[in-house]
Amino acid sequence: AQTVTQSQPEMSVQEAETVTLSCTYDTSESDYYLFWYKQPPSRQMILVIRQEAYKQQNATENRFSVNFQKAAKSFSLKISDSQLGDAAMYFCAYRTFGGATNKLIFGTGTLLAVQP
Amino acid sequence: GAVVSQHPSWVICKSGTSVKIECRSLDFQATTMFWYRQFPKQSLMLMATSNEGSKATYEQGVEKDKFLINHASLTLSTLTVTSAHPEDSSFYICSTHSAGAYNSPLHFGNGTRLTVT
Repeated sequence: AQTVTQSQPEMSVQEAETVTLSCTYDTSESDYYLFWYKQPPSRQMILVIRQEAYKQQNATENRFSVNFQKAAKSFSLKISDSQLGDAAMYFCAYRTFGGATNKLIFGTGTLLAVQP
Repeated sequence: GAVVSQHPSWVICKSGTSVKIECRSLDFQATTMFWYRQFPKQSLMLMATSNEGSKATYEQGVEKDKFLINHASLTLSTLTVTSAHPEDSSFYICSTHSAGAYNSPLHFGNGTRLTVT
């Protein structure tokens, strides 16, 4: 079974600085997706970024980028120029490639605080 | 964009009563719906996967008779918490994708905060 581990329960960053959230996973599959979701106090799940395992190039979305190391099964999220609105719980998630019933498996989450 | 409407957003019920939570896909057909539960300051834990027109698949440790899932149409899935108890108080979230778009990102409802008194 696949597992997702986030070893940082809480992180803090100064506004405008850069922060990196860690995520490792375990799987025997070769094709899969990895995601970072943001959950603000409203508890709405917001997709931050997505990475296909077959792509070597790291995904980027504006201030958000990932460092995907497939052999090490590592998938970290870098937030550049942190903003107050980035404060939230961040979940790393894994999903098997293909198939209608392939579920999202979430890590335990990292609570990010942004200091003004 | 694709929207999943989840109702109610919050509900308070007395112990022993049943509560129904609805998730509707507003502009697409959803053959599969994932139901998650989230306790305070914890992660989302998958409870079950429902498929339109067939029985739901429950995760290990989730009571089928307590958490009844119905997915009778391509746009509606419901989760009924039967004989609710205070320990069932939690945040419940549904998630789905467009039919056939298996590799597209999942769309989430806004969640339902259930409090059982």
